[in-house]
Amino acid sequence: DGGITQSPKYLFRKEGQNVTLSCEQNLNHDAMYWYRQDPGQGLRLIYYSQIVNDFQKGDIAEGYSVSREKKESFPLTVTSAQKNPTAFYLCASSHGTGSEKLFFGSGTQLSVL
Amino acid sequence: GDSVTQMEGPVTLSEEAFLTINCTYTATGYPSLFWYVQYPGEGLQLLLKATKADDKGSNKGFEATYRKETTSFHLEKGSVQVSDSAVYFCALNLANQAGTALIFGKGTTLSVSS
Repeated sequence: DGGITQSPKYLFRKEGQNVTLSCEQNLNHDAMYWYRQDPGQGLRLIYYSQIVNDFQKGDIAEGYSVSREKKESFPLTVTSAQKNPTAFYLCASSHGTGSEKLFFGSGTQLSVL
Repeated sequence: GDSVTQMEGPVTLSEEAFLTINCTYTATGYPSLFWYVQYPGEGLQLLLKATKADDKGSNKGFEATYRKETTSFHLEKGSVQVSDSAVYFCALNLANQAGTALIFGKGTTLSVSS
């Protein structure tokens, strides 16, 4: 079945450590997105990518980095510069930006030790 | 800038009660409007959508009508079930505009008891 897979489901970060969240899709979608979800804050866009080897900052990109070397993969690195990384991270994909429907992964809960 | 405002929750209802979750938007262009639902521990799923004024989106007994004059897209259901307990997000997208992503409201938590 086609879908979008995030891993791991739970992740713990130590102070000063970089961690990478995985997102893979087999839907042949061009566009991929990373959102951060905090209680009472809704979803806020971190980064998005329209095509391979291209990505744009969203509203809260500081302290995060991404790459898009393959169409299927859009990993997110939470760097030590992100001082408040504890949140639920959601990856999504769509046929293209401006497209109607996003397909979401099941999320990664990141916590700081 | 473009934005979506939803009523704050949580909304607590008894089974078979009528549901309304208010959503209003601000957009410079002509957005498409969406409702997404998130069940506990999961990602979001598209519930319904409307792409132009006066369109009504519907799915699983939920409905929402795109009202351009009031810039609203309120979600309604005539008789809620316990299984409808979830977080509901209103969202907009500037249709067919490359380089944009969905803009979400803050979400409204619905809790239905039997």
